[in-house]
Amino acid sequence: QVQLVQSGADVKKPGASVKVSCKASGYTFTTYNMHWVRQAPGQGLEWMGRIDSNSGGTVLTQKFQGRVTMTMDASITTVYMELNSLTSDDTAVYYCATNYHYAFEYWGQGTLVTVSS
Amino acid sequence: QSALTQPPSASGSPGQSATISCTGTSSDVGGYNYVSWYQQHPGKAPKLMIYEVTKRPSGVPDRFSGSKSGNTASLTVSGLQAEDEADYYCSSYAGNINWVFGGGTKLTVL
Repeated sequence: QVQLVQSGADVKKPGASVKVSCKASGYTFTTYNMHWVRQAPGQGLEWMGRIDSNSGGTVLTQKFQGRVTMTMDASITTVYMELNSLTSDDTAVYYCATNYHYAFEYWGQGTLVTVSS
Repeated sequence: QSALTQPPSASGSPGQSATISCTGTSSDVGGYNYVSWYQQHPGKAPKLMIYEVTKRPSGVPDRFSGSKSGNTASLTVSGLQAEDEADYYCSSYAGNINWVFGGGTKLTVL
């Protein structure tokens, strides 16, 4: 069965960077592109961008351009999302999710990133 | 890209029906038949309930149904059960490899 297992919770200081990993299993890695969605405490879902699991090409929503880098290592079926110049507004749960028919079918368990001085 | 508009809350009694709306624009909801709905229980990851406006993934009860008219999509939950109490989010493809979510609706089963 498809599983997306993310790295554990992290605490960072303002101005720092965080890198979240998402290991995929149970399917052929190149079948689905991987998307990242975040959810601030008590807030809704926010689409951040996606990485093409074949080419490694990325598309980011404008808000995160220049501050987010998405990469992958196909040999270990893992994708990464790095967010720079953290502020308290970046405190959120970050999810990876596969895309199927323009919907987010499988989700990781989420990674809580807390930004605090 | 603005978020899609959902009512903050909805409710219904067990066995009754509840409908949640999701309003966008002609650039997202109205422009594509790629609206999806997600159920999220507290502390859990979202779960896909509806995709391509009306389709249900395997394992999702047929009590959940989706529709769309113009720039507004809707999720209807029939025969409400206690376990349906959760937050629900809509999402739409918005073109140019871009997606947008709604603000979420808390569904209460009275």
